[in-house]
Amino acid sequence: AQTVTQSQPEMSVQEAETVTLSCTYDTSESNYYLFWYKQPPSRQMILVIRQEAYKQQNATENRFSVNFQKAAKSFSLKISDSQLGDTAMYFCAFMKHDNNNDMRFGAGTRLTVKP
Amino acid sequence: DVKVTQSSRYLVKRTGEKVFLECVQDMDHENMFWYRQDPGLGLRLIYFSYDVKMKEKGDIPEGYSVSREKKERFSLILESASTNQTSMYLCASSFPGQPSSYNEQFFGPGTRLTVL
Repeated sequence: AQTVTQSQPEMSVQEAETVTLSCTYDTSESNYYLFWYKQPPSRQMILVIRQEAYKQQNATENRFSVNFQKAAKSFSLKISDSQLGDTAMYFCAFMKHDNNNDMRFGAGTRLTVKP
Repeated sequence: DVKVTQSSRYLVKRTGEKVFLECVQDMDHENMFWYRQDPGLGLRLIYFSYDVKMKEKGDIPEGYSVSREKKERFSLILESASTNQTSMYLCASSFPGQPSSYNEQFFGPGTRLTVL
């Protein structure tokens, strides 16, 4: 079974600065997908960024980028130029490469961006 | 835009009651999922369905059942609610498998259930 570990329950960052959220996972699969989801306070969970394991290049989406280290089974999220609207719970998730699309999530990191 | 809706944002029930949580998606997704979200535990998969009338157990199915009579609707049923089922329940949907750009799960707003 796959497990996903987020070792930072809470983090904070000053507005405009950079923060990195950690995620490690355990799997025997060779092909899979990794995701970061964001859940703002009292709002819907939305996808931030996605990485396919067979791609060497780290995914980027505007101010969000990942550092994917396949051998180390590590998938960290870097948020640059942090904004107040980035305050949220962030969940790392793993999905096997099959048709069921069932995901395994980490426990989450609560990020607070301070003005 | 994909829309996943859940019947209630907040629900309060008594121990022993039968509880129905409804989820509807409007994007013709084959796959639908029910999770519960608890502090420090993240999201845990209860059940999922990859087609009408099909269901698969997730990691924590005990005390729950599901129903999928129509493609767009996936119901979670607590046959006899207990206090340890107090939680946030999230529904999600997705296209199956390939191509990879379609495997994102889209989430509903959640139902916060309190069992007294």
